[in-house]
Amino acid sequence: ETGVTQTPRHLVMGMTNKKSLKCEQHLGHNAMYWYKQSAKKPLELMFVYNFKEQTENNSVPSRFSPECPNSSHLFLHLHTLQPEDSALYLCASSQGGDAGELFFGEGSRLTVL
Amino acid sequence: GQNIDQPTEMTATEGAIVQINCTYQTSGFNGLFWYQQHAGEAPTFLSYNVLDGLEEKGRFSSFLSRSKGYSYLLLKELQMKDSASYLCAVLDSNYQLIWGAGTKLIIKP
Repeated sequence: ETGVTQTPRHLVMGMTNKKSLKCEQHLGHNAMYWYKQSAKKPLELMFVYNFKEQTENNSVPSRFSPECPNSSHLFLHLHTLQPEDSALYLCASSQGGDAGELFFGEGSRLTVL
Repeated sequence: GQNIDQPTEMTATEGAIVQINCTYQTSGFNGLFWYQQHAGEAPTFLSYNVLDGLEEKGRFSSFLSRSKGYSYLLLKELQMKDSASYLCAVLDSNYQLIWGAGTKLIIKP
């Protein structure tokens, strides 16, 4: 138990579907992150929210749309994805917005058909 | 560009010692992290080094040389549960985390 919960753990979707990934942290942290993890590649930072404000968008395609309604919840809305978007999507939180020690969820394994 | 290099895979024997190396070239340096990730699980924090030298934490130790852009993670008295991927990450001058691709460690009986 890391204090960061992600749902669903597994998701299979077609290229025309719309789905959402959810992340919730119970640690009282102020910053939340979305990362993409592909096999044998470094973690790719997608989005950062600090005190509910988006502070980082690493040139992520618009088919990925984040939402942070409060400091404890983070969503990643998915629309018209491509097969190359299949990966493990990790949510993380930290006390401050300058990365530092991250607490990760177990990830949502996404497969795009 | 910024780069973190670590071996893709290593194999070691239960009870032995293994050293996982990490070299980095980054824009500035504000610390180096090691994370452990078991298959299908969340990465979890192992260590943080910002000054040169060795930090020991039980069976795990982490070493840093800033002048050489080099770190290693040393695991002693290996146990089967140490089979995992080990991720090296550097905090650059903009406080962005730069990640290595991870080292998959396989422990054999």
